[in-house]
Amino acid sequence: QKEVEQDPGPLSVPEGAIVSLNCTYSNSAFQYFMWYRQYSRKGPELLMYTYSSGNKEDGRFTAQVDKSSKYISLFIRDSQPSDSATYLCAMSDSIQGAQKLVFGQGTRLTINP
Amino acid sequence: DVKVTQSSRYLVKRTGEKVFLECVQDMDHENMFWYRQDPGLGLRLIYFSYDVKMKEKGDIPEGYSVSREKKERFSLILESASTNQTSMYLCATVRQGGKKSSYNSPLHFGNGTRLTVT
Repeated sequence: QKEVEQDPGPLSVPEGAIVSLNCTYSNSAFQYFMWYRQYSRKGPELLMYTYSSGNKEDGRFTAQVDKSSKYISLFIRDSQPSDSATYLCAMSDSIQGAQKLVFGQGTRLTINP
Repeated sequence: DVKVTQSSRYLVKRTGEKVFLECVQDMDHENMFWYRQDPGLGLRLIYFSYDVKMKEKGDIPEGYSVSREKKERFSLILESASTNQTSMYLCATVRQGGKKSSYNSPLHFGNGTRLTVT
């Protein structure tokens, strides 16, 4: 079993829809959670990061962590065609050491105008 | 803006060839990383370096080596390429020094090198 599971999609939704992207994990020591966005033919870029449980909001994006269920989500409100990308979750048990990050497989998202 | 440049966008090599993938960054970051990205497997860490001439194995170092002679340059070497090394290779850097880059310091990625070994 992979440490981090992410539905690879592809996920296709109409413009304006609310999108929910999810990851589950097995390591209960994970407490630092990140979402990276990767446009086609580009490298990933950090979108959001959270620590422990709870929600974090940034504009149209909300990151949610439920440690009791070992489940994290990224919600996109009022989705735009420019949100079309692959979204990767990443997590770590350590505040220090980017080399400890474990990535999900990535979900490919398409927003249709 | 941090710029991470990978020298080739696409490479096609034959089985058994020695392959060099080059990565250069312009922001004086101490930590540099090499990942490979495969469908269904996500990003997997091959090697990282936290200082010049310092390197540590990641999760899948077999068949690879690295070189970091200068701070800005980190090379991935496939000593004898095999077809199972066909993949997208991504170089990344992070700002903080040593092994202690904080989780909320973003990894800055290059745009990748798609390597095909035939």
